[in-house]
Amino acid sequence: AQSVSQHNHHVILSEAASLELGCNYSYGGTVNLFWYVQYPGQHLQLLLKYFSGDPLVKGIKGFEAEFIKSKFSFNLRKPSVQWSDTAEYFCAVNAPYSGGYQKVTFGTGTKLQVIP
Amino acid sequence: EAQVTQNPRYLITVTGKKLTVTCSQNMNHEYMSWYRQDPGLGLRQIYYSMNVEVTDKGDVPEGYKVSRKEKRNFPLILESPSPNQTSLYFCASSSPGLATTYEQYFGPGTRLTVT
Repeated sequence: AQSVSQHNHHVILSEAASLELGCNYSYGGTVNLFWYVQYPGQHLQLLLKYFSGDPLVKGIKGFEAEFIKSKFSFNLRKPSVQWSDTAEYFCAVNAPYSGGYQKVTFGTGTKLQVIP
Repeated sequence: EAQVTQNPRYLITVTGKKLTVTCSQNMNHEYMSWYRQDPGLGLRQIYYSMNVEVTDKGDVPEGYKVSRKEKRNFPLILESPSPNQTSLYFCASSSPGLATTYEQYFGPGTRLTVT
């Protein structure tokens, strides 16, 4: 069964600082990778996704992520964070499960707090 | 507007009183799932459905039931709620189509408190 690890549980940054959130997964086959964001009091929204092609993926609001297959990693980056980026970020992996279903597994999330 | 709706958004109930949380999507998605979100544990899948009348257990199915009689609806049923089911619940839908690649669309969440 696949699993997802997010090692940073809580990150505090000042505005304009650079961000990198780690995500590692365990699954030996082909996967699709996602980052979702949950702003305070809201539901999860897709930030970006990777399923093939260029391993550097660009998403909304200036976020990007790099898929490194050899390291089973899909780290999220942003060169300069803003106060409005304060949110919880979830890495997710989907992979073949049973009966043709593609199961999505989420990491435990990283809370990002950006200080003005 | 493409969306997933859940009702109710907030619910406080007592142990043992049966309840249903509704979920509906208007995107004609085949896949639907229920998740619970707890601090430090992320999102854990309760049940999922691949299509009408096709449902299966996720990672934490104990104490929950689901049904999928219509493609758009996927209600979550707690026959006898207990305090350990106090949580934030999300319904999500997705499609295996090439363009969407299983991207999950989430509902607004239902905050359930069982006393």
